[in-house]
Amino acid sequence: GESVGLHLPTLSVQEGDNSIINCAYSNSASDYFIWYKQESGKGPQFIIDIRSNMDKRQGQRVTVLLNKTVKHLSLQIAATQPGDSAVYFCAENLRDKVIFGPGTSLSVIP
Amino acid sequence: GAGVSQSPSNKVTEKGKDVELRCDPISGHTALYWYRQRLGQGLEFLIYFQGNSAPDKSGLPSDRFSAERTGESVSTLTIQRTQQEDSAVYLCASSPWTNTEAFFGQGTRLTVV
Repeated sequence: GESVGLHLPTLSVQEGDNSIINCAYSNSASDYFIWYKQESGKGPQFIIDIRSNMDKRQGQRVTVLLNKTVKHLSLQIAATQPGDSAVYFCAENLRDKVIFGPGTSLSVIP
Repeated sequence: GAGVSQSPSNKVTEKGKDVELRCDPISGHTALYWYRQRLGQGLEFLIYFQGNSAPDKSGLPSDRFSAERTGESVSTLTIQRTQQEDSAVYLCASSPWTNTEAFFGQGTRLTVV
């Protein structure tokens, strides 16, 4: 099967601080990118998406940045809350196939 | 139901047995994906269906794995002669068309003993 990497990096942040989760994607032809949040025992849930003709998109407390030059995607979470603790995955859409990154485990310290 | 439904939610099987996992996508969704997620790891693409087009099977790890989908409805993932390395959560997702958000089911946790 295809996935980008098999090890899970971790990030610990203090409640109220901003979190930045980074992702390197694999293919310059990918034209659509999504961030998902996965809580323990559940399937991934959509957070925010961005198309390749944009470099920034904002949602509620979340911002996604896309740098196509270096094939880099980031997710910024403002004022991180305990409920944000989860694993976060970036995903790229390449010729209709959605490929996930390795994920980052976010732990919020109360 | 309103979301993607997978069954069973848990399956314990003996090594060498065949298993069949089911996914009911959201009604009207043309795209359907299967992923495998081993404990503490990321999502590994297995197979993708889009409408009546030929599926993209490029992620299936061996010929023991197969999947079918009838039209734009239910999909089944079959694993023949299961091995312990097949133990994982199998996730299904659907989306209304390509290049848009995919909605995931809760997954089937498969344990091969």
